[in-house]
Amino acid sequence: QVQLVESGGGVVQPGGSLTLSCLASGFTFSNYGMHWVRQVPGKGLEWVAFIQKDGGDKYYVDSVKGRFTISRDNSRATLYLQMNSLRAEDTAIYYCAKVLPGPFDWWGQGTLVTVSS
Amino acid sequence: DIVMTQSPDSLAVSLGERATINCKSSQSVFYSSNNKNYLAWYRQKPGQPPRLLIYWASTRESGVPDRFSGSGSGTDFTLTINSLQAEDVAVYYCQQYYSPPPWTFGQGTRVEIK
Repeated sequence: QVQLVESGGGVVQPGGSLTLSCLASGFTFSNYGMHWVRQVPGKGLEWVAFIQKDGGDKYYVDSVKGRFTISRDNSRATLYLQMNSLRAEDTAIYYCAKVLPGPFDWWGQGTLVTVSS
Repeated sequence: DIVMTQSPDSLAVSLGERATINCKSSQSVFYSSNNKNYLAWYRQKPGQPPRLLIYWASTRESGVPDRFSGSGSGTDFTLTINSLQAEDVAVYYCQQYYSPPPWTFGQGTRVEIK
C-alpha cells in the first residue's frame, strides 16, 4: 500500500525557514515524479513544486520561485521542500503527492505550516 | 497559465439523487496526438487529503465506485455522481495536467446533502 508521510511543519516567524519532508513507502520511489501542493485551511488547492524522478527537472509556482527548493533522496525514498524567506501568505497545509504519471494519484495527510510573529 | 473554473461553487442534493459538477478550462486540454483530455477530478472529504477519482477526463481510478463518471472534451467537462451517498459529502476539484507548469486546479465545488 502506498504511503506518503509528511513532517516538518510548525510555527515560524516571517522571514524564517523550514524544511518539510515526505517519506514514501509501498512503491518504487525513484520511478516517479513528485509534487508539493498546499492548501490554506478551508480554501482551495494550489500546486507549489514538482521534481522529476531523477531529481533533474524542477518546477515552481511563481510565488515561491527563489524562496523554495524541492529536492529528493531516492536512497531514502524521501522528498523535501526547503522553504526560506517565509511570508504570512505561505501559511497552509502542505501535501506531497505522487505522479501517476499525469494526475496526482496518492497524497499524504499533510503538514501544517504557520507563518506568524 | 490555464485557468480552471468550476460551477456551481456549491450544491445540495438529496440522497440517491444525481449531482453534476462542471469544469471549464481557459484553453483546450485535449491532445490530438493521443486523443486524450488531460483533465482529472479529485474528491476531498473534510479533514482528509484529496483523492483521485477520474483522470483522462473519463477514466475511473481503481477502487472508485461506478456511480462516479466523467465526461467532456476540449474545454468543457462534467463530473456526475449518480445516486449520491452520505459519504460523498465533500469538495470536488478539477485539475488540468495538459500544460504544466503550473498544474492548476479549479476553485472547488462543495457538495452537501439536501
